[in-house]
Amino acid sequence: QQQVKQSPQSLIVQKGGISIINCAYENTAFDYFPWYQQFPGKGPALLIAIRPDVSEKKEGRFTISFNKSAKQFSLHIMDSQPGDSATYFCAARRGGNNRKLIWGLGTSLAVNP
Amino acid sequence: KAGVTQTPRYLIKTRGQQVTLSCSPISGHRSVSWYQQTPGQGLQFLFEYFSETQRNKGNFPGRFSGRQFSNSRSEMNVSTLELGDSALYLCASNPDWEETQYFGPGTRLLVL
Repeated sequence: QQQVKQSPQSLIVQKGGISIINCAYENTAFDYFPWYQQFPGKGPALLIAIRPDVSEKKEGRFTISFNKSAKQFSLHIMDSQPGDSATYFCAARRGGNNRKLIWGLGTSLAVNP
Repeated sequence: KAGVTQTPRYLIKTRGQQVTLSCSPISGHRSVSWYQQTPGQGLQFLFEYFSETQRNKGNFPGRFSGRQFSNSRSEMNVSTLELGDSALYLCASNPDWEETQYFGPGTRLLVL
């Protein structure tokens, strides 16, 4: 049972375009939603994260949109660059003294020059 | 500050053997989590250690175990290896004051 469902599995975008990756979750006890970026041969690195009391968070070209009622959140990458080509993972975590992240299956993004 | 380090980076074992993987967290981080990453299942949580105590455990068989030392370094052990244990094993550390998990580069394990 996949508690965090991520789509699409892969995405091809032209340089300068907008990349959009979506995630849906089931457990309303989740209170922390990070997005991680992973390059080949590296571990995932935090890109941006949001809590459910905020509907949107922006950091540079990266924006998370959060819809609590629909239990969905998405990552938007504006002005996508070839250097953004990587695998992106959404994740969710329950509150409390709990560092366990539940992950989506990832989206492989390719940005064409 | 040095990042999370994992050793070894690559490992080849045969079925039935056991393996021990090591993780050194970022200095000052007391929480260490382990994940298994495979193409089909993505990242799956194995366990988390905090101050030498297992604080959380994922849904893996008892062949997977771990421990944490007083200096926060952690090891995970897999006994009686199976072909399906081939994966990238990632370690992540957390500071007490932050949500962010900082990942190491992983140990790629191949079981033949």
